[in-house]
Amino acid sequence: KNQVEQSPQSLIILEGKNCTLQCNYTVSPFSNLRWYKQDTGRGPVSLTIMTFSENTKSNGRYTATLDADTKQSSLHITASQLSDSASYICVVSRNDYKLSFGAGTTVTVRA
Amino acid sequence: EPEVTQTPSHQVTQMGQEVILRCVPISNHLYFYWYRQILGQKVEFLVSFYNNEISEKSEIFDDQFSVERPDGSNFTLKIRSTKLEDSAMYFCASRIRTGATYGYTFGSGTRLTVV
Repeated sequence: KNQVEQSPQSLIILEGKNCTLQCNYTVSPFSNLRWYKQDTGRGPVSLTIMTFSENTKSNGRYTATLDADTKQSSLHITASQLSDSASYICVVSRNDYKLSFGAGTTVTVRA
Repeated sequence: EPEVTQTPSHQVTQMGQEVILRCVPISNHLYFYWYRQILGQKVEFLVSFYNNEISEKSEIFDDQFSVERPDGSNFTLKIRSTKLEDSAMYFCASRIRTGATYGYTFGSGTRLTVV
């Protein structure tokens, strides 16, 4: 079954600290993995897209990694800011472009 | 930056009523989608639309749902007879073409509340 599991479900960090979110997937055949940021009551906004051959991609303070062999990805947030408070969703695309969504990790950044 | 626009942002309707959710995708995009997210749950695929027809739909997308691109710019989702369990955020998305690195652009969503 095509599953995307994210951990932790939620986390609280202090402003300026770093954090890492995890994503494990069983989606097959794999095409690409995307991380989205979703603010409360808003639509998901793309942070990174990685294909099979890419193992890291950065977007500002966000760095995503991908290990296609172990089917794991992580999203690292550096020097967190209050505006980073959101849900971060891991989405895996199959070769037929069908998307499988994780449940998201809710990040709360506190001053 | 181009956006996908959805209206209304919030709609409250009585059970059994028909609702139409509206979306204006990015103008040069060719593939259109509706997703929904029940509060506290994962985003779920409803339907994809290309070349003026449905290309794929999920088991959620039953006979109560329909989509239309009436005028070449708007993309609508109609729910004929709403049920309480239709309460959710509905997201429209579009993409320029298929391919591994082409991103989906999501709208801000319509929160549908069925009472």
